[in-house]
Amino acid sequence: NAGVMQNPRHLVRRRGQEARLRCSPMKGHSHVYWYRQLPEEGLKFMVYLQKENIIDESGMPKERFSAEFPKEGPSILRIQQVVRGDSAAYFCASSPADLGYGYTFGSGTRLTVV
Amino acid sequence: SQQGEEDPQALSIQEGENATMNCSYKTSINNLQWYRQNSGRGLVHLILIRSNEREKHSGRLRVTLDTSKKSSSLLITASRAADTASYFCATVPLYSAGSYQLTFGKGTKLSVIP
Repeated sequence: NAGVMQNPRHLVRRRGQEARLRCSPMKGHSHVYWYRQLPEEGLKFMVYLQKENIIDESGMPKERFSAEFPKEGPSILRIQQVVRGDSAAYFCASSPADLGYGYTFGSGTRLTVV
Repeated sequence: SQQGEEDPQALSIQEGENATMNCSYKTSINNLQWYRQNSGRGLVHLILIRSNEREKHSGRLRVTLDTSKKSSSLLITASRAADTASYFCATVPLYSAGSYQLTFGKGTKLSVIP
């Protein structure tokens, strides 16, 4: 019973490139959340998705960032034309429902923009 | 200050001592959760306390919640070197919209010296 799987664990991109972060939720979980953690900070909510639906993207920057959770396959967080300020740890969590509890977090993807 | 602020920012104790971390928040909550994050790793859920609960125990962990003061504390008794980590509180709001969003504080860095 694998937990939330995120890959890659570490990602290095040059300024202007695209970054794709993947998240496979726990088995039986249909709700996925993305959070970003800047150095020495807590996690900040970015987006909440269910299969084929974006429920709440209020925490996502308006430009360059997008997220999807297709019917088949993992959830993808996509950052286009990365800048140094995008360097952070990106965590995915999943839950069986949006009850406000029961979250399981992945180990995160550490993005470094050089 | 932001929702879910931990205090102190850093705490260093000897193995065997107790560690107490505090968390303050601003808005009404459905529940409050504590997480642990080992260096460079994901978050591990420790304990959840609902707004109608005042105290909860789990092994060496004791959590209290004072909704009148909008504060919570996490006590780790008889600390071990393996408890060295960052500890975050996260709140879930009371209102129905956005009730899935966890709002994290910046965390307390706990160092337990063997």
